[in-house]
Amino acid sequence: GAVVSQHPSWVICKSGTSVKIECRSLDFQATTMFWYRQFPKQSLMLMATSNEGSKATYEQGVEKDKFLINHASLTLSTLTVTSAHPEDSSFYICSAQPGGLYEQYFGPGTRLTVT
Amino acid sequence: GENVEQHPSTLSVQEGDSAVIKCTYSDSASNYFPWYKQELGKRPQLIIDIRSNVGEKKDQRIAVTLNKTAKHFSLHITETQPEDSAVYFCAAIITGNQFYFGTGTSLTVIP
Repeated sequence: GAVVSQHPSWVICKSGTSVKIECRSLDFQATTMFWYRQFPKQSLMLMATSNEGSKATYEQGVEKDKFLINHASLTLSTLTVTSAHPEDSSFYICSAQPGGLYEQYFGPGTRLTVT
Repeated sequence: GENVEQHPSTLSVQEGDSAVIKCTYSDSASNYFPWYKQELGKRPQLIIDIRSNVGEKKDQRIAVTLNKTAKHFSLHITETQPEDSAVYFCAAIITGNQFYFGTGTSLTVIP
C-alpha cells in the first residue's frame, strides 16, 4: 500500500517552455502533498506544501509564479515549471501524506533537463 | 523554525560491521522522527520511524534511538550488507505538515 506515482520520470525541454509534472497517490487519499527539489548528492529541499482544494504554501525563495502547483483532488497534484531555464534542471520529487498521519510517501521523482 | 543536523556526511564500513548515523534537532516541539533510505536516482523510502513517546525502536537489523532531553536521535544498522549502501536522511516533524530533513549521509558498505 501507500504507492505514489509521478509522471513523467524524465523530461527534456527547451528553454522558455513549460513543463507539467503529475503526482498521484494510487491507493490512498492524500490530503497533503509536498514538492521537493533535489540537487545531486544533496538533501531534499522543500519547495511547497499543498492541501487539496486550497492554494499551495511556498517556501521562502521559491517563486510561486514560476512553479505553479495545483492540488485539484485527493489523489492528484501537479507542478508546472513555467518558462523553464537551464538552472531549473533538477530532480523533482513529490510526496503524499494520508489524512491524519505523519508519514510521507514519496514518488519516484522526475528528472528535468532544460536545454 | 526547526534545524536538523546530520552526521557524518559520508560513512564507509566493512560488510558485517555496524553503522551509526546521528541527527540533532533544535525544536523540542518535534515529535516524529523518520529515517529514509535513498538509492541513487530513486525515491526516498521510509525505513524506520520513532515517535517522541518512545526511546527506542527496532526492526530486524535497523534500530532508532531517541534522546529527547539531548534532542538527538540515531540510526543503527547492524550486520551491514552491500545493499545497505545508499544515502540516508533523517527528519524531524513538528506537526504533520512541517518536515525538516537532515543533510544526508552517504553510506558505503565495502564487501
